[in-house]
Amino acid sequence: GNSVTQMEGPVTLSEEAFLTINCTYTATGYPSLFWYVQYPGEGLQLLLKATKADDKGSNKGFEATYRKETTSFHLEKGSVQVSDSAVYFCALMLNNAGNMLTFGGGTRLMVKP
Amino acid sequence: DAGITQSPRHKVTETGTPVTLRCHQTENHRYMYWYRQDPGHGLRLIHYSYGVKDTDKGEVSDGYSVSRSKTEDFLLTLESATSSQTSVYFCAISGGQGAYGYTFGSGTRLTVV
Repeated sequence: GNSVTQMEGPVTLSEEAFLTINCTYTATGYPSLFWYVQYPGEGLQLLLKATKADDKGSNKGFEATYRKETTSFHLEKGSVQVSDSAVYFCALMLNNAGNMLTFGGGTRLMVKP
Repeated sequence: DAGITQSPRHKVTETGTPVTLRCHQTENHRYMYWYRQDPGHGLRLIHYSYGVKDTDKGEVSDGYSVSRSKTEDFLLTLESATSSQTSVYFCAISGGQGAYGYTFGSGTRLTVV
């Protein structure tokens, strides 16, 4: 079946540190890949996406590259801010799967000033 | 705004009572979804809809029913609420396949006492 595995959190960083949140997937086909962010007390918001191998999604200083050879979609940011503290979810969608998103378990990021 | 609203935002109810949560969209999207979010479990799909009167079960559908009589409204009903259904419930909408992803509502925090 299809699944998404994320590194367990919480991840605690100091402001301006480099961030990597690992995400790997298993899929029967060629999925689109997404990162969602959830700020405290809110719903999930789409952060970035990539639809085919070697695509790079980017938004708000975050980026992730679709790596088919390693089935990965790791999220990176060069310099985190306190305002980036949130829960980050990796997800995949197969085009032939009724528009269903499969989510990873989420990774909580805490950024300290 | 994103064009999706959930009501109520918070609800406390007693065990054994029926409860209905409402998701309303103004985007005319075909697909609508209900998820629950619990610590340690991430997001789990309860039910989804792929059109008016067309619904299907997700991975945690026991004890829940849904209805979609209009494109814009997707109702989630807990037939007889139990304490295990205390959770945060999110509705999501999607307009199409693949790269569109989902837009999430702000969530309903339900407490069953």
